Amino acid sequence: DADVTQTPRNRITKTGKRIMLECSQTKGHDRMYWYRQDPGLGLRLIYYSFDVKDINKGEISDGYSVSRQAQAKFSLSLESAIPNQTALYFCATSEAGVTDTQYFGPGTRLTVL
Amino acid sequence: DAKTTQPTSMDCAEGRAANLPCNHSTISGNEYVYWYRQIHSQGPQYIIHGLKNNETNEMASLIITEDRKSSTLILPHATLRDTAVYYCIVRTYGQNFVFGPGTRLSVLP
Repeated sequence: DADVTQTPRNRITKTGKRIMLECSQTKGHDRMYWYRQDPGLGLRLIYYSFDVKDINKGEISDGYSVSRQAQAKFSLSLESAIPNQTALYFCATSEAGVTDTQYFGPGTRLTVL
Repeated sequence: DAKTTQPTSMDCAEGRAANLPCNHSTISGNEYVYWYRQIHSQGPQYIIHGLKNNETNEMASLIITEDRKSSTLILPHATLRDTAVYYCIVRTYGQNFVFGPGTRLSVLP
């Protein structure tokens, strides 16, 4: 969905490096999410934010931090990358409401050597 | 514990209807059924959702049994581009989406 963009799309880094993944959206949604996906598995929630001043940990937040710079921007950081953080990372957005359907970005493929 | 159970994989002939089942026997009254799909390693794509009634949109139909313990996603005329992993998710407002392993649908020429 072009309304949700992620940068970079691919990144190879080394163990111990700090990495930031960025997500931007033009959908005007208040809610934003970060997920990771490991090969052959479903998505797991890392962090989510219901508005600029609201940040919540998801299922697997250890080793990650986030920043909600604006309604449209939500960044995920790996302070000191490790190989088992090699995965696909997806950002998603949703509008507050009864069903708050989530819309996903194209993903970032991160490899930690 | 997983809220939904889906077959690991299914095949469907191109042009035929693809019927993807999902069991959610412990669903509660305020939980919706959502379907997403993921083509290769792209971001998951929203397909459809419903509460009690059957739903239809330009992509698919969702049939929910009267007791709401199971549902079926129907792609009426499957094409090769419908080959993907399909996720059935049950959740209520305020809960996070939980993506399980899904069903890998292969549309065969």
